[in-house]
Parts: sequence; structure tokens; C-alpha cells
Amino acid sequence: KQEVTQIPAALSVPEGENLVLNCSFTDSAIYNLQWFRQDPGKGLTSLLLIQSSQREQTSGRLNASLDKSSGRSTLYIAASQPGDSATYLCAVRSTGGFKTIFGAGTRLFVKA
Amino acid sequence: DTEVTQTPKHLVMGMTNKKSLKCEQHMGHRAMYWYKQKAKKPPELMFVYSYEKLSINESVPSRFSPECPNSSLLNLHLHALQPEDSALYLCASSLTSSGGANIQYFGAGTRLSVL
Repeated sequence: KQEVTQIPAALSVPEGENLVLNCSFTDSAIYNLQWFRQDPGKGLTSLLLIQSSQREQTSGRLNASLDKSSGRSTLYIAASQPGDSATYLCAVRSTGGFKTIFGAGTRLFVKA
Repeated sequence: DTEVTQTPKHLVMGMTNKKSLKCEQHMGHRAMYWYKQKAKKPPELMFVYSYEKLSINESVPSRFSPECPNSSLLNLHLHALQPEDSALYLCASSLTSSGGANIQYFGAGTRLSVL
């Protein structure tokens, strides 16, 4: 059974810092891994998707990497801004049953 | 257009009521999903429809009844809910239900309160 863990659970940083969010998963038989952002009480916004054959994806200040063999992904946020404050969720789509399993998320607070 | 529209945004219902949640997308996606999200928890998959057919049912109680009338619409019919069913209900869609390139796009959710 796929399990997804995110560390840290919460993070507070000053504006301008570069930061890394971590996601680990137990079963490497995945189709893809997707990073989302969720603002309080809102839906999810897709940030980046990495297919199982890929090593990384980049969008603006965001860079996500995937090491399938070790069951790890990282989301790197460069030059953080107060507007980046949100909960960041990683979600793994397993090849067995096409289910998507979410991690519990990292709550990020960027101080101005 | 990457929009998934959910209505209503908020819903309050009693335990004897019958109500429906609606989800719509016009991206030509053939996979649609219902998730349930409790406060400060990650979303949990409830149902997956692929080409208008139910392909995954995560052992959800029968008081939740999904329906996919066409490729653009997804409904979730609610009947005799319990207070513990209060949550944010999220709809998502993707091009298909399999394959590695399928980005899931989410709606803003319906916040449901059961009294």
C-alpha cells in the first residue's frame, strides 16, 4: 500500500529565502508525482507534475525533482515571497489501480 | 481554460435532507474524480469516473452516490448524511485516468456542513 510522507509539517521563513520541501513515498511503482498548492479553505492548484521517467520539472521559481529509486521528491522554491504562504501537497499516482495518494502537506509561512 | 467549476460553494444540510453537488469541466477530460478533505488533512479519493463509467469506488458509504451524466458533468448525490461527513468536497479532472502525463485539475470545492 502506497504511503506518502511530507517533511517538515510546517515551515516559517523570512522573505527572500530559498527553501526545500520534501516528499517521500513507499512504493516506487508510480506513474507520476504532482505538487499542489492549497490556500486555506480553497481548492488545489497544480504546480508541477513529474512523470516517472523524468528527473525534474521547472516552472518559474519552482523546481521539483524526483528520485524514484529512493522514493523521494523535493520542491525547491527560490527567493520566497509572502504570497507563497500556503500548504504544499505532493500526490503520487500509483500504477496499481491508478489511485492518487496525497501526503499530509507542508504548511509554509513566508514572513515579510 | 483549465477550469473545473463546482457548485454550490457552501452547503448546509440536515441529516434527513437530499442534496447534490455538481462539478463541470469543458477541457475535454475523460476522467473525473471526487475527493473528500477534512480540516487540516489531505484529500482522500472517493470515486473515479473514466469515460463516464465508475472505475474506482474507495468503499464509500452508500449515502454518497456519484453520477456522471456526460463527459463534462459529475454529480455527487447526498442522502441521510452524518455530521462526520462535514468536509470540503473536491472535484478534479484529467485527460484520462491512466498514464504519467495526466495533470489533475481541481475545482475550488464545496464546503459541506451536516447538522
